[in-house]
Amino acid sequence: EAQVTQNPRYLITVTGKKLTVTCSQNMNHEYMSWYRQDPGLGLRQIYYSMNVEVTDKGDVPEGYKVSRKEKRNFPLILESPSPNQTSLYFCASSLSSYPRGYEQYFGPGTRLTVT
Amino acid sequence: GQQVMQIPQYQHVQEGEDFTTYCNSSTTLSNIQWYKQRPGGHPVFLIQLVKSGEVKKQKRLTFQFGEAKKNSSLHITATQTTDVGTYFCAGTDKLIFGTGTRLQVFP
Repeated sequence: EAQVTQNPRYLITVTGKKLTVTCSQNMNHEYMSWYRQDPGLGLRQIYYSMNVEVTDKGDVPEGYKVSRKEKRNFPLILESPSPNQTSLYFCASSLSSYPRGYEQYFGPGTRLTVT
Repeated sequence: GQQVMQIPQYQHVQEGEDFTTYCNSSTTLSNIQWYKQRPGGHPVFLIQLVKSGEVKKQKRLTFQFGEAKKNSSLHITATQTTDVGTYFCAGTDKLIFGTGTRLQVFP
């Protein structure tokens, strides 16, 4: 089954404790991205990757890191989480991107709480 | 930078009533996509519009792309409780999502 998986689905952590949220897709997609969703703000892009070893900042990259060493995986790293990073995070992938645009497949989401 | 706004932010309707959400971009878009997110779920792709003035239908849903490719709309005819969720538009140039419209349908 074609899918995007994220782990963990729920995470409660404390300020400053490094964490990684994994994302994996089995569709051989080139494009992957991370979004955060906050009430009233919609989906805001954190980072995206056009292909292996190619990553770029989205609209809200501060406090986050990513890597794309393999095509299928795109982990999101919070080196020193802070309470303002409490949010719902989605990973997404698509065949390709700009400018034509392809359907994005979203993972189930990771709800992160930083105390 | 590019901004994509949606109105209204919330809409409550009685089952059977129609619903429309509007999406407005500050810049011209190459294409526009629409997604639906059910409560507690993740966004799911509905459709992509490419041409200026394009209109596409999916059963009770009608999607329209403006002539100037800076705005779009989604119209649902005779809403059902299964239509509940948040509807997002997204410009494909930089995959900027709109703020979303949350639809609640009362039986």
